[in-house]
Amino acid sequence: GAGVSQSPSNKVTEKGKDVELRCDPISGHTALYWYRQSLGQGLEFLIYFQGNSAPDKSGLPSDRFSAERTGGSVSTLTIQRTQQEDSAVYLCASSLKSIHTEAFFGQGTRLTVV
Amino acid sequence: GESVGLHLPTLSVQEGDNSIINCAYSNSASDYFIWYKQESGKGPQFIIDIRSNMDKRQGQRVTVLLNKTVKHLSLQIAATQPGDSAVYFCAENSLSGTYKYIFGTGTRLKVLA
Repeated sequence: GAGVSQSPSNKVTEKGKDVELRCDPISGHTALYWYRQSLGQGLEFLIYFQGNSAPDKSGLPSDRFSAERTGGSVSTLTIQRTQQEDSAVYLCASSLKSIHTEAFFGQGTRLTVV
Repeated sequence: GESVGLHLPTLSVQEGDNSIINCAYSNSASDYFIWYKQESGKGPQFIIDIRSNMDKRQGQRVTVLLNKTVKHLSLQIAATQPGDSAVYFCAENSLSGTYKYIFGTGTRLKVLA
């Protein structure tokens, strides 16, 4: 596709279950970002991938959160043992390079933990 | 994680008037800035960017002003239209940092008919 694609668009899960969120970045984009946005709030940085470099995981809120980026393309954000406070919109973005270029965002995955 | 998740300030503007949205950024080493527009239920959408070697940049109906002395960024929207109603975020990026985009608090713009 032409833009960043995220799936699923909506996910409802029970507390304690694990979830996987997927991001397909724009082809050729070397940088990939995950952000979290709680209702009516700003964007909280989670993790950043750039090419083959070690990811910047400094924003992950706990060890229940992890992310992978396979083959420099698709990324998966995994949340283990979900809690109600994990409910938010998870946004993925990609950019052609890491700096001085705009990051293109997907539509996000709305996660609801019940 | 780094977050600017605070209660969003709201700017209400009459249709046809000019809007000015402000943003204070945090890192004096930031050298690239973007304004994003986010409509309800959608991801942020790029509006305009500016590098730190500039203090002003104009686009279609939008102008971004950068004041590095006080670490302040503003977005001016001319002749505001109902379709401009959204939440606006500024984002900063630094060559000397870890390259992640740090987002500002966000401002909700409401256009009154």
